[in-house]
Amino acid sequence: GAVVSQHPSRVICKSGTSVKIECRSLDFQATTMFWYRQFPKQSLMLMATSNEGSKATYEQGVEKDKFLINHASLTLSTLTVTSAHPEDSSFYICSASSSGTGRSYEQYFGPGTRLTVT
Amino acid sequence: AQTVTQSQPEMSVQEAETVTLSCTYDTSENNYYLFWYKQPPSRQMILVIRQEAYKQQNATENRFSVNFQKAAKSFSLKISDSQLGDTAMYFCASSGGGNQFYFGTGTSLTVIP
Repeated sequence: GAVVSQHPSRVICKSGTSVKIECRSLDFQATTMFWYRQFPKQSLMLMATSNEGSKATYEQGVEKDKFLINHASLTLSTLTVTSAHPEDSSFYICSASSSGTGRSYEQYFGPGTRLTVT
Repeated sequence: AQTVTQSQPEMSVQEAETVTLSCTYDTSENNYYLFWYKQPPSRQMILVIRQEAYKQQNATENRFSVNFQKAAKSFSLKISDSQLGDTAMYFCASSGGGNQFYFGTGTSLTVIP
């Protein structure tokens, strides 16, 4: 149980275009979803936290107009990187937690999306 | 806020031997949780073990066990009978209050055949 998927697993886009990454909880309702960014050989950096039906809360230094997060349902959150630039190339990971699983303190991680901006 | 520190960027261990990864943390929460995650080359985050801070007994999952020292705010991971598949990045994390995670910087573990 508690499976989280991400799509796509890899994406290459041209500089200036936008790209959307989907994060889905497959067998539970995700009341909260998290988006992380991870550079090579580094730890996960939290970008934003989103609760279903509410606006996302962004961490300091993360541009909310560049990284648009939508958590429209209890099973789906999307991250859209707008006007992507090469420096946005990174590994993006989502995770989800649920107050309904009895372990609201735990996060279930997706497999990640590798974004390359050329 | 919480902080998590992993002071060993890289470690190696001979296959079948035992290795201990260190983690210290700082928190003002009364109730919190501690985790060890494994991130293999596939980069999928895999939960290795969790510890609830109000439980004194150290958590154990097969070959993985922790040494939880609450007063010292220490949470080390012991891997027994190391296997080649244990080669990965290992992240220590804490959560409490809300469900936000605080990650350490990671330890790269290599199991040598």
